[in-house]
Amino acid sequence: KQEVTQIPAALSVPEGENLVLNCSFTDSAIYNLQWFRQDPGKGLTSLLLIQSSQREQTSGRLNASLDKSSGRSTLYIAASQPGDSATYLCAVSIRGSTLGRLYFGRGTQLTVWP
Amino acid sequence: GAGVSQSPSNKVTEKGKDVELRCDPISGHTALYWYRQSLGQGLEFLIYFQGNSAPDKSGLPSDRFSAERTGGSVSTLTIQRTQQEDSAVYLCASSLGVGKVETQYFGPGTRLLVL
Repeated sequence: KQEVTQIPAALSVPEGENLVLNCSFTDSAIYNLQWFRQDPGKGLTSLLLIQSSQREQTSGRLNASLDKSSGRSTLYIAASQPGDSATYLCAVSIRGSTLGRLYFGRGTQLTVWP
Repeated sequence: GAGVSQSPSNKVTEKGKDVELRCDPISGHTALYWYRQSLGQGLEFLIYFQGNSAPDKSGLPSDRFSAERTGGSVSTLTIQRTQQEDSAVYLCASSLGVGKVETQYFGPGTRLLVL
């Protein structure tokens, strides 16, 4: 069974800092890895999707990397802002499993204070 | 355009009652997923629909849980004889359903509290 772990569980930083969120997964036979953002009382918003053949994806101040062989991904947030405060979830879809079925980590709760 | 919508947004019920949760996916999306997020837990997969068929129901926790989808669109998740451990946020997601690498779009969820 695929296990997805996210470290740290919570992170509190001052505005302007660059930060790294970590995700690890046990089964390297993945189709893709996604990073989501979840705001309180709201659903999930997809931030970045990395296919298994890719090494990284970038969107604005966000950069996600994937090392499939070691079962790790990192989400790098540059110049953090209070609006970045949310829970960040990592999820993978795996080969041999139902198409699109995602396995999620428990998330990193990020607080960026002014 | 409209995203995935879910209703009700909140539901409080008494133990033993039945509840129905509704999901309206994005128009044209053939794939639909239900997930559950319990307090302090990660999201766990419940069921997957492709069109009106459910090829993967393996995540349903017990036979009290069932789901259907009609017209390749709206889906209903039904929980019979609710228990307190059913309290959670139930999230629905949809995607085009035509490829192996697709972004899933999530609804805002239904928060269920069983007293």
